[in-house]
Amino acid sequence: GENVEQHPSTLSVQEGDSAVIKCTYSDSASNYFPWYKQELGKRPQLIIDIRSNVGEKKDQRIAVTLNKTAKHFSLHITETQPEDSAVYFCAASIRSGGYQKVTFGTGTKLQVIP
Amino acid sequence: ETGVTQSPTHLIKTRGQQVTLRCSSQSGHNTVSWYQQALGQGPQFIFQYYREEENGRGNFPPRFSGLQFPNYSSELNVNALELDDSALYLCASSFGGTGSGEQFFGPGTRLTVL
Repeated sequence: GENVEQHPSTLSVQEGDSAVIKCTYSDSASNYFPWYKQELGKRPQLIIDIRSNVGEKKDQRIAVTLNKTAKHFSLHITETQPEDSAVYFCAASIRSGGYQKVTFGTGTKLQVIP
Repeated sequence: ETGVTQSPTHLIKTRGQQVTLRCSSQSGHNTVSWYQQALGQGPQFIFQYYREEENGRGNFPPRFSGLQFPNYSSELNVNALELDDSALYLCASSFGGTGSGEQFFGPGTRLTVL
């Protein structure tokens, strides 16, 4: 089955700096790559996603890039703010047997230091 | 439009007991996926229901079962609870079939097995 690896597991940045989280996936049939932000005690919130026919997508301070050949995708957060502090999960989704199966990475705990 | 809701918020059970968790999908969504999230880990896919039928399952034993109702709400049942079943149980709703796969999570049910 699909395997998603995520790095780093923890990341500390100064406010205003950029943060980059990287993920790799194993199944080349994966076609949808969402990123979720989960604050302590709260539900995962979809923050950005990208499909396999797109190489890059940007939404204000957040961008995601996808390299299908290398099976890598990354989340970029620019001008980080303290409220960006949370756990971020990448995921890879594949349509299998009529349903969309989502496999999550292990998470990155981002700390933005004021 | 209403979001995804789950009940109960918290639950404490003892080993060997049975538990039922409930999820109401977001308006317009016909697919519900259930995930188990252990502390410090990413969500692990349990199974997915589409139009009242299970149409995908992760690596969970048969004592994890579910239902989906005509209004697309769903239940997760766990029999013969084990200590390792202690986790946050998340449901996520989406528009299945040929839908985008974008999922929206509920707030979760925190299950503690003593």
